[in-house]
Amino acid sequence: NAGVTQTPKFRVLKTGQSMTLLCAQDMNHEYMYWYRQDPGMGLRLIHYSVGEGTTAKGEVPDGYNVSRLKKQNFLLGLESAAPSQTSVYFCASSLRGTSGVAGELFFGEGSRLTVL
Amino acid sequence: AQRVTQPEKLLSVFKGAPVELKCNYSYSGSPELFWYVQYSRQRLQLLLRHISRESIKGFTADLNKGETSFHLKKPFAQEEDSAMYYCALKKAGSARQLTFGSGTQLTVLP
Repeated sequence: NAGVTQTPKFRVLKTGQSMTLLCAQDMNHEYMYWYRQDPGMGLRLIHYSVGEGTTAKGEVPDGYNVSRLKKQNFLLGLESAAPSQTSVYFCASSLRGTSGVAGELFFGEGSRLTVL
Repeated sequence: AQRVTQPEKLLSVFKGAPVELKCNYSYSGSPELFWYVQYSRQRLQLLLRHISRESIKGFTADLNKGETSFHLKKPFAQEEDSAMYYCALKKAGSARQLTFGSGTQLTVLP
């Protein structure tokens, strides 16, 4: 089991360029999330999905779009990158139930994005 | 809206000393609280959750609703405890979205 896999792990973009981060999980989890991690600010939720074909906005959604066409994949897109989007991006997934591992998120290794 | 505050960005203790990482929250409902840890070059992972009332790697955390706190404690710190620790809150009934604190970098000195 690979768990949660993010690609790419590193990327440098110029302002205005677009890119897509891919998150794949092999744990059959219903819920998936994209967070960004910035120094002194912890992790902030960008978008999340509670199932295939559904997405919702998190705390800091502006400038990002997401899609969940398949249950195992959750894509994060930047249509026109800005320097303020320089960050480390984390994908996570979790089960839907409330017992046992309730609340546990499983994270990917992170993707470091730099926008020049 | 809910908020999680970790007042210490950096915390250093000597090996064998007690350690306490502070976490305070603001939320009007009944929260679920967690501690996540990120060791160097490893993924962020769950350390413990308040509903389990468990001790993991010698760490415990008690939810104090009166003080709205969920401090993480360990009586004798070890060098391998050095890591970034995040306190997180989930609203009861929400779709598992977690609100994270800003994190505390713990360094255990030899």
